[in-house]
Amino acid sequence: SQKIEQNSEALNIQEGKTATLTCNYTNYSPAYLQWYRQDPGRGPVFLLLIRENEKEKRKERLKVTFDTTLKQSLFHITASQPADSATYLCATWSSGTYKYIFGTGTRLKVLA
Amino acid sequence: GAGVSQSPSNKVTEKGKDVELRCDPISGHTALYWYRQSLGQGLEFLIYFQGNSAPDKSGLPSDRFSAERTGGSVSTLTIQRTQQEDSAVYLCASSPKADRGGSPLHFGNGTRLTVT
Repeated sequence: SQKIEQNSEALNIQEGKTATLTCNYTNYSPAYLQWYRQDPGRGPVFLLLIRENEKEKRKERLKVTFDTTLKQSLFHITASQPADSATYLCATWSSGTYKYIFGTGTRLKVLA
Repeated sequence: GAGVSQSPSNKVTEKGKDVELRCDPISGHTALYWYRQSLGQGLEFLIYFQGNSAPDKSGLPSDRFSAERTGGSVSTLTIQRTQQEDSAVYLCASSPKADRGGSPLHFGNGTRLTVT
């Protein structure tokens, strides 16, 4: 079955460093991937979308890549700040259905 | 309002009782989704609405779960005879359309349901 996988272990990094989060997909060739941010007690908030024909997409300090050979998307936050601490989710449309499927998310903690 | 609104934000109920969870999507959004998020788990799809119809109910865990949408706007998720395993955060999201083209989902902050 189609699956999106993210590293469920928390990622701790020092303020100012670049955080890199990974999203892998199996049994599927999605036309795009979306990234969301979720803070405790809140719903996910959309950040970026990257399509399969785009190698890279940027928005301020955020950068997303899409490697269809590796079946992987990387999400980078440069010059990370404690305010970037949150759980980050990747998602895509499930082929043949009407639903988005989500990874389990990776919790990022930026240490001051 | 500007965003998706869900009520109540918290609900504690006794096992066996029925509960109703409400979602007010962003005005004009025709697509509406319900997801469930258990502690430490990902988002589990429950049901999708396009307008008032539900073309995909494949995620509803059992016949105790039902949902409706009226006027192409407000949606209600009903859980009958609640069980402890129903405890979770129920999230509603809306989108301008379900075009498989990547329209982002706009989520509410969820209803935290606790079944005692």
